[in-house]
Amino acid sequence: DGGITQSPKYLFRKEGQNVTLSCEQNLNHDAMYWYRQDPGQGLRLIYYSQIVNDFQKGDIAEGYSVSREKKESFPLTVTSAQKNPTAFYLCASSALAGSYNEQFFGPGTRLTVL
Amino acid sequence: GQQLNQSPQSMFIQEGEDVSMNCTSSSIFNTWLWYKQDPGEGPVLLIALYKAGELTSNGRLTAQFGITRKDSFLNISASIPSDVGIYFCAGLAQGGSEKLVFGKGTKLTVNP
Repeated sequence: DGGITQSPKYLFRKEGQNVTLSCEQNLNHDAMYWYRQDPGQGLRLIYYSQIVNDFQKGDIAEGYSVSREKKESFPLTVTSAQKNPTAFYLCASSALAGSYNEQFFGPGTRLTVL
Repeated sequence: GQQLNQSPQSMFIQEGEDVSMNCTSSSIFNTWLWYKQDPGEGPVLLIALYKAGELTSNGRLTAQFGITRKDSFLNISASIPSDVGIYFCAGLAQGGSEKLVFGKGTKLTVNP
């Protein structure tokens, strides 16, 4: 079964702690993306990667970090520098050739910082 | 940055009614995508459009790539309760970066 998995579904952390969100895909997609979703704001791009060991900042990268050591995996770390980390985080992937604009999303992780 | 204007923000309809929503941009887009998101889940791709004037259907859903390349429309015919959710448009601007731009969504409520 091909798809994108994100874990955990719900995450609670204390203020000041770093937290890492997992994203794995078995679609053999080259590109992977992290978005943040807040009520009424749509999706905002945090980071994206088109190839292993390379990634670019999106529109709201401050306070976040990523790595892309394997094609299948693109973990996101929410650092203590992120001023308002409570949100719904979505990971997506797309192929780079052909229909490369079609992004497919994981089920999301809801992060709550107490 | 780029923005897409999606309307309406919300819709309340009766089961069986048809639904229309649209997305507009101030610049030309090469690609339009329509997604549906259920509460607490990730968006699911419904329809992808790549050519001006293109009309594509997926069951009761039909989407069109506007001929000006600055807009797109999504229609749902004979709505059913499971159509409830938030519908997002997304697009890739001509000459822009490879990043998709998303609308803020249309929240659809279907009364049985």
